[in-house]
Amino acid sequence: EVQLVESGGGLVQPGGSLRLSCAASGFTVSSNYMSWVRQAPGKGLEWVSVIYSGGSTYYADSVKGRFTISRDNSKNTLYLQMNSLRAEDTAVYYCARVTTVTTLHYYYMDVWGKGTTVTVSS
Amino acid sequence: DIQMTQSPSSLSASVGDRVTITCRASQSISSYLNWYQQKPGKAPKLLIYAASSLQSGVPSRFSGSGSGTDFTLTISSLQPEDFATYYCQQSYSTLLFTFGPGTKVDIK
Repeated sequence: EVQLVESGGGLVQPGGSLRLSCAASGFTVSSNYMSWVRQAPGKGLEWVSVIYSGGSTYYADSVKGRFTISRDNSKNTLYLQMNSLRAEDTAVYYCARVTTVTTLHYYYMDVWGKGTTVTVSS
Repeated sequence: DIQMTQSPSSLSASVGDRVTITCRASQSISSYLNWYQQKPGKAPKLLIYAASSLQSGVPSRFSGSGSGTDFTLTISSLQPEDFATYYCQQSYSTLLFTFGPGTKVDIK
């Protein structure tokens, strides 16, 4: 079964750090684009970051320079290292597989985890 | 950066109604537009990709149309399980997978 399971969320003080993990099963993380999406309480979806199968990484302006996306191919796991956390980073964080229709360059998030909650508060 | 807007932000409808949600991009994105459904406390679910392609397993009452800057998600006959929030997302720029602000569909 194709599945994503996030972990690592919790309560952290402003300025602190946290590393989120997303364990994949049923497919290979390194063969796909993988992304993080977050949702602040009562708000909409906000795209956070993507890592390409080739290893290139991109970030939303709101997290650039503070968050780092990476993967461990041996563990088939995606990560999000979050540093210098702010109150506005409080959200449920989802990881998602980005599937492509390669010949037409269509990309879409077809597999999602259930999310992990990050709360930044003193 | 490409900005996405949706209208309306919310709507009330009855079971059996035809519902239409609009999404607009700040620049042409061809057909690089996806639609997701999200229910409270749950992860988003992909409904439509490439503007009009129905994701496997999604009921045929959902359909998508449009290209360029203007797109539409239509639910032909609203069912009780369709009450949710719907988001569009552009994939024209894979450096920034921008989502729209969402449209909440609730019971009239």
